[in-house]
Amino acid sequence: EAGVTQFPSHSVIEKGQTVTLRCDPISGHDNLYWYRRVMGKEIKFLLHFVKESKQDESGMPNNRFLAERTGGTYSTLKVQPAELEDSGVYFCASSRLRHEQYFGPGTRLTVT
Amino acid sequence: AQKITQTQPGMFVQEKEAVTLDCTYDTSDPSYGLFWYKQPSSGEMIFLIYQGSYDQQNATEGRYSLNFQKARKSANLVISASQLGDSAMYFCAMREGRGNYGQNFVFGPGTRLSVLP
Repeated sequence: EAGVTQFPSHSVIEKGQTVTLRCDPISGHDNLYWYRRVMGKEIKFLLHFVKESKQDESGMPNNRFLAERTGGTYSTLKVQPAELEDSGVYFCASSRLRHEQYFGPGTRLTVT
Repeated sequence: AQKITQTQPGMFVQEKEAVTLDCTYDTSDPSYGLFWYKQPSSGEMIFLIYQGSYDQQNATEGRYSLNFQKARKSANLVISASQLGDSAMYFCAMREGRGNYGQNFVFGPGTRLSVLP
């Protein structure tokens, strides 16, 4: 089966611009997670979808970040407007069972 | 308080030797899971091994084994017979809580392993 895919693999934008990251989970996985790793720091949880519903968004840093999951399939994470400190790698993961989380390759975001 | 501690920012090991990567965790939840992920230079996160808090035996997956010491709250990863392709960042992670759906993970800062020829 296909793994978790993320698009784009790398995005370079200017401060103040908008960027939308996309994640396609493994087919049949109801759980979808977003994480990010900022400048060599720890990987931090952002939010968790169960199907199309936000189960936990306690990790979202501020209201410049908006995540959606249309129809319980793919998910998008929009950053608007982007700030310098948003630079990092954004990972998406999906799972069917509790103890399996399969990660995508990540999107490297660079805000200049 | 830091939930996952990996005290070794970097480790070196000779090819074909065994290496232990340390991980300690902090939780008051009786039900939790511990995971190790490998992140090679290409960037993807690769699941290696899982240990549940109620598992009686230490988890093993091929050359990977998890030295689970519950009373000490440690979950060290042991890689036997290291290979050059094992060079990567290794992350220890914990999932707390129970329920039918997955919970979010807490990650450690990672250990960079370099395997020397």
